[in-house]
Amino acid sequence: AQSVTQPDIHITVSEGASLELRCNYSYGATPYLFWYVQSPGQGLQLLLKYFSGDTLVQGIKGFEAEFKRSQSSFNLRKPSVHWSDAAEYFCAVFGPPRRDDKIIFGKGTRLHILP
Amino acid sequence: KAGVTQTPRYLIKTRGQQVTLSCSPISGHRSVSWYQQTPGQGLQFLFEYFSETQRNKGNFPGRFSGRQFSNSRSEMNVSTLELGDSALYLCASSEALRGQSTGELFFGEGSRLTVL
Repeated sequence: AQSVTQPDIHITVSEGASLELRCNYSYGATPYLFWYVQSPGQGLQLLLKYFSGDTLVQGIKGFEAEFKRSQSSFNLRKPSVHWSDAAEYFCAVFGPPRRDDKIIFGKGTRLHILP
Repeated sequence: KAGVTQTPRYLIKTRGQQVTLSCSPISGHRSVSWYQQTPGQGLQFLFEYFSETQRNKGNFPGRFSGRQFSNSRSEMNVSTLELGDSALYLCASSEALRGQSTGELFFGEGSRLTVL
């Protein structure tokens, strides 16, 4: 069965510092991979996605993620965080498209930014 | 294009009552899925509708139901409300070209249900 693990429930970084949020998945093949962000009181917004090809993908708001097949990981990075990046981040996997597939979300990592 | 619209945004009900939540997807999107989000359980998949048919369902009791209309708008209903149903209910739409989902979802802001 598919599963997603985000080992860090909370992460605190200083504004301007670099960021890496971890995501590991379990799946028999290479799934589609996503990072979503949720600001307080809001729905989720897609940050970036990986379907195939180049393992380093660029997203919105200056985020990027790297797919590492050997480690079953899809970690999210940002070189320099801004106070507005404080939010909850969800990693998600989706199996090769079939009609009955459903996306599986990790438990989320809440990012706190110190001024 | 307008985004995904969910109504109502906030509602308070008492145990035993029922509630209906509405979701209008992005124009042209034919797939609508629903999620329950709570601090303890995180995001949990409820069900997905495509072309008025439920084609996927999560592990929720039968008190949770939904439907989709011909214009792709969707509603979900929770009957006999329990305290544990208090949550943020999120609707998401996706294009699902040729009926195939890709996992790329566009979310509404959610309906926050409080059960007293």
